Amino acid sequence: DIQMTQSPSSLSASVGDSVTITCRASQTVSIYLSWYQQIPGKAPKLLIYAASGLQSGVPSRFSGSGSGTEFTLTITSLQPDDFATYYCQQNYSPPITFGQGTRLEIK
Amino acid sequence: QVQLQESGPGLVKPSETLSLTCSVSGDSITDFYWSWIRQPPGKGLEWIASIYHSENSHSNPSLRSRVSLSVDTSKSQISLQLTSVTAADTAVYYCARDAGTNIGIFDTWGQGTMISVSS
Repeated sequence: DIQMTQSPSSLSASVGDSVTITCRASQTVSIYLSWYQQIPGKAPKLLIYAASGLQSGVPSRFSGSGSGTEFTLTITSLQPDDFATYYCQQNYSPPITFGQGTRLEIK
Repeated sequence: QVQLQESGPGLVKPSETLSLTCSVSGDSITDFYWSWIRQPPGKGLEWIASIYHSENSHSNPSLRSRVSLSVDTSKSQISLQLTSVTAADTAVYYCARDAGTNIGIFDTWGQGTMISVSS
């Protein structure tokens, strides 16, 4: 199985800040990498697909980049609704696997 | 707009079979892959399996021997059965629509149903 490792596991930021979350794969996943946002008690929400594709309806302050084994999710101008847990996920090689999550908290 | 609604028993006894249903509205069930993903309390996400029509399914090797999926197009429902459950199967179970041509871009999710395994 491809292991997905996110860093940091948690971070604190303020409204208006920009943050970057990193996701590393144990082997190449090409660009078959998605990012999800999960608010406590809610289902995950797709933000980014194919490493950098912005899902319809997702604000442009969310962006993704990377290929191969290293990927980043950047959120600029943080809004109150952005404080949540973020997961990366690969669909390059079965089984589909997720990172352990990065919890973004308000400072 | 597509909507997914999971339903299940809430509580299952150890060694029994868990049966879940996902009802799909607002979209054709035959046009997409449909997947099940679970999340133990306080933990991360685990892909369980995906199915397209009733003839093409894929499952996580860690669960494959215990998982079966089916699609009922007349009811627009996807069903999951998980046999021989243990406490480790306690989780929120989500169904999701797969947007991509590759399995694994989950663009629409149900609200999830909490399943506890306990005697």
